[in-house]
Parts: sequence; C-alpha cells; structure tokens
Amino acid sequence: DAGVTQSPTHLIKTRGQHVTLRCSPISGHKSVSWYQQVLGQGPQFIFQYYEKEERGRGNFPDRFSARQFPNYSSELNVNALLLGDSALYLCASSLLRTTYEQYFGPGTRLTVT
Amino acid sequence: DAKTTQPNSMESNEEEPVHLPCNHSTISGTDYIHWYRQLPSQGPEYVIHGLTSNVNNRMASLAIAEDRKSSTLILHRATLRDAAVYYCILHYNNAGNMLTFGGGTRLMVKP
Repeated sequence: DAGVTQSPTHLIKTRGQHVTLRCSPISGHKSVSWYQQVLGQGPQFIFQYYEKEERGRGNFPDRFSARQFPNYSSELNVNALLLGDSALYLCASSLLRTTYEQYFGPGTRLTVT
Repeated sequence: DAKTTQPNSMESNEEEPVHLPCNHSTISGTDYIHWYRQLPSQGPEYVIHGLTSNVNNRMASLAIAEDRKSSTLILHRATLRDAAVYYCILHYNNAGNMLTFGGGTRLMVKP
C-alpha cells in the first residue's frame, strides 16, 4: 500500500509569493494534519482536517490556510511568504480524528529567498 | 500543555540495549505518552504509546513510572537503522491529532 505522499518534494519561492503544498493520505484515512519543521527543531502543528472540516489549528498566522477535498487529499496554502517560512512541511494522515498512530509523509522542503 | 524533558543526545553501541528517558512531571491523568522517531530525511514515525502500564510492541518497549512522571523507551538491540531523533510526546485523547513535539533526543548508534 502506498504511504502518505506529498508534492512537490522541494520548492524555492521568493519573499511575498504564495505557495500551495499538496498531500495525499493513505487510502481510507480521513484525517490529515499539517506540521512545520524548522531546521534543528521538532515539528510544529499547523492544522488538522477531518471529514473535510478543520478540527484543529496551531499558533500560526492567517497567512496559512488549508483545505481538504472529498477524496480526503489536502492542500496547505501560505500567502505573502517570509524568509522564516523556510522549513520542511509535513503531512500526517490517520484513520480517525483522534488516534495514537499517525503516518507522516516525507515532507516538502520549502526555501524562501 | 504538559511538557516533556529529554536529553539532547545519547550514544549507543550496535546490538546493545538503549534506554531513552523522558520526564513529564506535570502530566495529567488523561495524557497518553507517545513516542515517535524521525530518521534522517524522513517524516516522523510512530513507535509506541501507553497510559499507565508498560507496553511492548515489535519495535520497542515503553516503561512508565508508577507515578507517571517519567517514562523510558527501550530499544532491546540497537541497530544502525535506529539512529534517529526520538520524541516523547504527551497527548490528551480529546485533543484531536495535534501532537506537540519538543526537541527530542538524537540517538547515535556506533558500529
């Protein structure tokens, strides 16, 4: 079975631009969560979507938004990029809204110049 | 949120047991203890979780102190593939899937 997939793998953007990152969860999983991991730190929670509704939001500015589609895939959008948005963006999927085991994708490495 | 404290790094020899400690003195009665690990250039991977009793699975064992203020992840025979950052996370079961990662412990395994 395919695991969580994310696209693109790497991305370079300029300050002020916007970016869209994509995530396909494991087949049958209805929950998708997004995390930001700055180099040298642990991942920080951004959003959780379950059954196409936002179920949790971390301490991130409104420049960050996300959505989940009927097939449970998800997009993370970041507007007005700042240098500090450079990070690895991770997507995690799970079967349930609350579960002990989440499956993470390999991430998208975003570099803002 | 209750916080966890882990050593920044630990070293182990290949094929020897490894005990990774985690302190969580402000844990509440409804917090589960989760362990994830992150191998180089990969996303985090679930390892094990527990509430009060010790737990075993194919990857590791989790020993939880009687007062639940600390726990230890045990890798019975470390391999080079176990070199990773190990995160100890407290998770309130009604908090959805939000995981609060700390800095974790970087485990280095020597051949």
